[in-house]
Parts: sequence; structure tokens; C-alpha cells
Amino acid sequence: DAGITQSPRHKVTETGTPVTLRCHQTENHRYMYWYRQDPGHGLRLIHYSYGVKDTDKGEVSDGYSVSRSKTEDFLLTLESATSSQTSVYFCAISEFPGELFFGEGSRLTVL
Amino acid sequence: AQSVTQLDSQVPVFEEAPVELRCNYSSSVSVYLFWYVQYPNQGLQLLLKYLSGSTLVKGINGFEAEFNKSQTSFHLRKPSVHISDTAEYFCAGTGYYGGATNKLIFGTGTLLAVQP
Repeated sequence: DAGITQSPRHKVTETGTPVTLRCHQTENHRYMYWYRQDPGHGLRLIHYSYGVKDTDKGEVSDGYSVSRSKTEDFLLTLESATSSQTSVYFCAISEFPGELFFGEGSRLTVL
Repeated sequence: AQSVTQLDSQVPVFEEAPVELRCNYSSSVSVYLFWYVQYPNQGLQLLLKYLSGSTLVKGINGFEAEFNKSQTSFHLRKPSVHISDTAEYFCAGTGYYGGATNKLIFGTGTLLAVQP
């Protein structure tokens, strides 16, 4: 299995608080992604990175920011969490187009 | 914008029966297509991929898919399913989208429910 870990795996927070999810890889893959998974919507791309300090927006980037200061770490930040951001967040890595390896997911509940 | 459409949200099937999960893609999507599987409480894992060449691709666990350019489809099939195949299956594609071929866009998923 690809070496990819997400933290925290579960988090409950209140509306308006900042939240940071961390994705760490040991595979030295170039590309890293953050997706959210919601019933009826499948997986939707939030942001992705194609190198250190190189990031771009996905389909549902509003309310989210990302940073990648090292190859192995990709952080997803919710500056001010809202209830609509309650979801399961998946990090993924890849070296070849479309061939993604996923983490176990982070379940976020915003009350 | 590119899109991937899975026509069935849930497919019930009896054990040892054949199954087909349908997927259609928008013509703007480049011909990199994938099927992923997600078992309960896990992340997704790659089942099979079509990049080029033969339109019939085989994946893990006895699954196969056929790329059909004229019908813009990439349906997933298995001749005989097992209880352990119960999972959610996602079709996905990449394309030249702002110059980036590594943006993978997913369909909404199909839950395969295998019954004894």
C-alpha cells in the first residue's frame, strides 16, 4: 500500500472555527489532492498540488485553502468552518495521470 | 467542462450473476478513464484503467471494462459476482482541463449490492 496518512481521522468542531487537515506521504509522488465525499455527489476535487508551492483549485475550492511547503505534506485549511463543510475528506497522491492512491479519509463534523 | 456520469446509483444483484455498471463521459474528457472501488469505511483503490490501445481492459478481482468512443462509454463488467464485491464503484476521467491532465474527475458512484 502507498504510504499516505491523514490526520486527524475524526474531528468535531464548531461553526466559525479554523480547521487544518494534514496529509503526509512517504512515496515522493509529485501530485497531491484533496477531495471531499458526500452522499449523492461522489468525490469532488477541492484543491490539488503539482509540486512544492504549486497548487491549483478544483471544483469546490470556495472556503478552503491549501499549502504544500514540502513534497511530503499537503495541508487543507478551512479558515472558518461552516456546517456545509461537514464531510469526509480524502487525500490522494499520484505520479501518473489518474492513478491515485488514497488515504483512509478524515471525517469532519461542523456543529 | 468535463464530466463523468454514472447512470445507476445502486445495482442489486444476486451472487454468481453477471453485472454491468454503466459510465458515460463527456466528449471533452481526454481518453484516460478509470474505475475505482471503495469498500466500507475505506479509501478508494484503483480497479482498472484505460489509457490507450486495446479498448477492453482487465482489472483486479475479475473485473473488466470496455472503452467505446462512439458511445462515449466505459462500462464495468464482471461475469460472476461474489458477496465480497459489495462496494461502491466510481468511474473517473482526466482530460486537458486548463492544461492539467492530472485533475481526476469522478462520477457520483454506483453501489453494487450483492445478495446471497
